[in-house]
Amino acid sequence: QKEVEQNSGPLSVPEGAIASLNCTYSDRGSQSFFWYRQYSGKSPELIMSIYSNGDKEDGRFTAQLNKASQYVSLLIRDSQPSDSATYLCAVDTGGSYIPTFGRGTSLIVHP
Amino acid sequence: DGGITQSPKYLFRKEGQNVTLSCEQNLNHDAMYWYRQDPGQGLRLIYYSQIVNDFQKGDIAEGYSVSREKKESFPLTVTSAQKNPTAFYLCASKTGGAYNSPLHFGNGTRLTVT
Repeated sequence: QKEVEQNSGPLSVPEGAIASLNCTYSDRGSQSFFWYRQYSGKSPELIMSIYSNGDKEDGRFTAQLNKASQYVSLLIRDSQPSDSATYLCAVDTGGSYIPTFGRGTSLIVHP
Repeated sequence: DGGITQSPKYLFRKEGQNVTLSCEQNLNHDAMYWYRQDPGQGLRLIYYSQIVNDFQKGDIAEGYSVSREKKESFPLTVTSAQKNPTAFYLCASKTGGAYNSPLHFGNGTRLTVT
């Protein structure tokens, strides 16, 4: 059973701070990793994808991947109240092309 | 603009009735997926299809059925055998055979069964 684990939160951070969201996965064959943001009542939208060990930056967002330790994280710099949402981690194994999702971490950015 | 269209946005049904949720995409994607989301839960896979006229059960297929007669369409039927059908249903697609492509989601259908 392929598992993707996330802390459900809520993670509460003040406006302007760095929010750090973490995700661990069980399948060592995993090759593609995605972070989706989901506002309440809406569908998920892709924020970041990462495939190689290390960091990938896009604006205020940085995804970090460590395949040896089987974790992927998302850092949000200068957090804004509009970042308040649930963040879903998804992991794709190369063989099945079927993404497995974590339960999501709820982030609250307070003014 | 390309995208995935799910309809209707809200659906209300009486217990014991079958109901079909529509999903249409014009992204020319080979693979399509149906997920279910319950409050406070992640996405659970119901069915997926990687090619026309072929589909596979996901983790929670019992009480659901699908068809894939056209590349663009992947409707989901929630049958009376599904014991707890009230949920948020999400249809998604991606380029087939490419493990590093992300999912594209429709706007979802919220089903309430009373």
